[in-house]
Amino acid sequence: QKEVEQNSGPLSVPEGAIASLNCTYSDRGSQSFFWYRQYSGKSPELIMFIYSNGDKEDGRFTAQLNKASQYVSLLIRDSQPSDSATYLCAVTPTGGGNKLTFGTGTQLKVEL
Amino acid sequence: SQTIHQWPATLVQPVGSPLSLECTVEGTSNPNLYWYRQAAGRGLQLLFYSVGIGQISSEVPQNLSASRPQDRQFILSSKKLLLSDSGFYLCAWSVQGDQPQHFGDGTRLSIL
Repeated sequence: QKEVEQNSGPLSVPEGAIASLNCTYSDRGSQSFFWYRQYSGKSPELIMFIYSNGDKEDGRFTAQLNKASQYVSLLIRDSQPSDSATYLCAVTPTGGGNKLTFGTGTQLKVEL
Repeated sequence: SQTIHQWPATLVQPVGSPLSLECTVEGTSNPNLYWYRQAAGRGLQLLFYSVGIGQISSEVPQNLSASRPQDRQFILSSKKLLLSDSGFYLCAWSVQGDQPQHFGDGTRLSIL
């Protein structure tokens, strides 16, 4: 079975620090990778997507993809208390198509 | 811009009662549409997806069904709810193909 794995956390970082969230996936043919943020009791919100190896930056967020090692990570610079949420990693299966496989998420806590 | 509407926000139903949850998308044509369920503290489970009117793919055998009577309308139904149907139900849409999915606000369903 194809899987996406994330450490459930909680990952605690002090305010202003860099938070590093990691995700590994088992389907070597996956082509597209997404990071969602989900606040408690709310629906997931797309924050980043990446298709190519390397880094992609958007404001305080950087997504990093390494297809050879089958991992994708999300870095959050200058972490704020408002970043405290669960971060879900999602990937498309081999052949792309119309579905995403989600990890169970990493809970991030940014402490004052 | 595209928007997705889901209702109701919360629902409390007795065991054995029927269910109908509705989702509509505005600002786009021929979207892919998805129904997910998220149990408390768990990941997202894809229930159904649709790539066009009347086209439904079921991911998990259960007592739920889905229909797409119009291009931008997606309905989740059950004839008889079970206790195990409790959860957070999320509708999502994406542009056709290997693109990010965008979620509605969700329906929190409690079965008594």
